[in-house]
Amino acid sequence: EVQLVESGGGLVQPGGSLRLSCAASGFTFSSYAVTWVRQAPEKGLEWVSAISGSGVSTYYADSVKGRFTISRDNSKNTLYLQMSSLRAEDTAVYYCAKQVAMVGGAADSWGQGTLVTVSS
Amino acid sequence: AIQMTQSPSSLSASVGDRVTITCRASQGIRNDLGWYQQKPGKAPKLLIYGASNLQSGVPSRFSGSGSGTDFTLTISSLQPEDFATYYCLQDYNYPRMFGQGTKVEIK
Repeated sequence: EVQLVESGGGLVQPGGSLRLSCAASGFTFSSYAVTWVRQAPEKGLEWVSAISGSGVSTYYADSVKGRFTISRDNSKNTLYLQMSSLRAEDTAVYYCAKQVAMVGGAADSWGQGTLVTVSS
Repeated sequence: AIQMTQSPSSLSASVGDRVTITCRASQGIRNDLGWYQQKPGKAPKLLIYGASNLQSGVPSRFSGSGSGTDFTLTISSLQPEDFATYYCLQDYNYPRMFGQGTKVEIK
């Protein structure tokens, strides 16, 4: 059974940093792209970032480019999102999701999400 | 970035109704589109991939159609468990873009 478990969320001050993790199990992690999606309170889904199975290719939404860094450790079956220069508008539940292919495709399995709150 | 325009933003329907949600891409995306269902406090769930392919385990009352720029999600006979918010997502290129969502409510 595919499982994705996010962690690392919490309260952080504006301008601060936070690193999210997503522990994967139940599939060959290195064979699939993975992605981060967030949802601000009472808002719709927003795609944030994705990384290919090898980790060579990374992609970002304009809203986070230059502030967030996606990475993965295939030896640990773990996905990361390093977030810096955080703003109030980054407050959201952050989900990681497995995609159906090495470089992209639909997101067929999702974690339960981790809440990030940016506030002073 | 490709923009996804989803409509309506909300709708009220009764159990047994046929429901249709549309999504329009700002440029052609072949059939690289997925539909997701989200219930309050839960993670999204993939319903349809490749515009018209039913994800494993999803009831057959859900169907998708379209190609290029115009896409449709249809629920043939709405069930109580289908009241949720539905999103389209283009996976043609990066950056990915979701539609604004359609909240399906009980009439």
